[in-house]
Amino acid sequence: KQEVTQIPAALSVPEGENLVLNCSFTDSAIYNLQWFRQDPGKGLTSLLLIQSSQREQTSGRLNASLDKSSGRSTLYIAASQPGDSATYLCAVGAGNQFYFGTGTSLTVIP
Amino acid sequence: DTAVSQTPKYLVTQMGNDKSIKCEQNLGHDTMYWYKQDSKKFLKIMFSYNNKELIINETVPNRFSPKSPDKAHLNLHINSLELGDSAVYFCASSQRAHSYEQYFGPGTRLTVT
Repeated sequence: KQEVTQIPAALSVPEGENLVLNCSFTDSAIYNLQWFRQDPGKGLTSLLLIQSSQREQTSGRLNASLDKSSGRSTLYIAASQPGDSATYLCAVGAGNQFYFGTGTSLTVIP
Repeated sequence: DTAVSQTPKYLVTQMGNDKSIKCEQNLGHDTMYWYKQDSKKFLKIMFSYNNKELIINETVPNRFSPKSPDKAHLNLHINSLELGDSAVYFCASSQRAHSYEQYFGPGTRLTVT
């Protein structure tokens, strides 16, 4: 069974810093990996989707990479801003469903 | 325009009651999902429908019954509510099953007293 882990569980950084969030999964037989952000009391907003054949995807200040063989993905956020404060979740598409990690709670301090 | 919408946003009810949560997507997607997010913020899939047919039915008590009247709607009916059913329930959709980007609704916070 696929297990998805996100480390660290919480991260606090000063504004302007670049940062990396990690996501690891146990089974490399995946279709894709999707990164989301969740603001308190809100739904999930899709940030990036990487198909299993891709190595990375970029959107603005965000860059997500995927290494299927090692079971890892990273989300790189450049020049962090207070508005980036949220919980970031990764989800792996495998089998006939999606498996979510437990999330990283990010706080960007002004 | 809201892509995936859910009603109600908040639902407070007593143990033993029966309640429904509605979900609608206007994206023209074939696949819809229900997820449960517990108090520790962990998201777990409950059901998935593709073209109105059930394709995923995780280990969920049979008090939970999804119904898809058409491709754009997936409702969740819960019988005999229990305290442990308190959670946030999210509806999501994707163009096709599992290999496509998912879009989530705003969630329904269910509190059972």
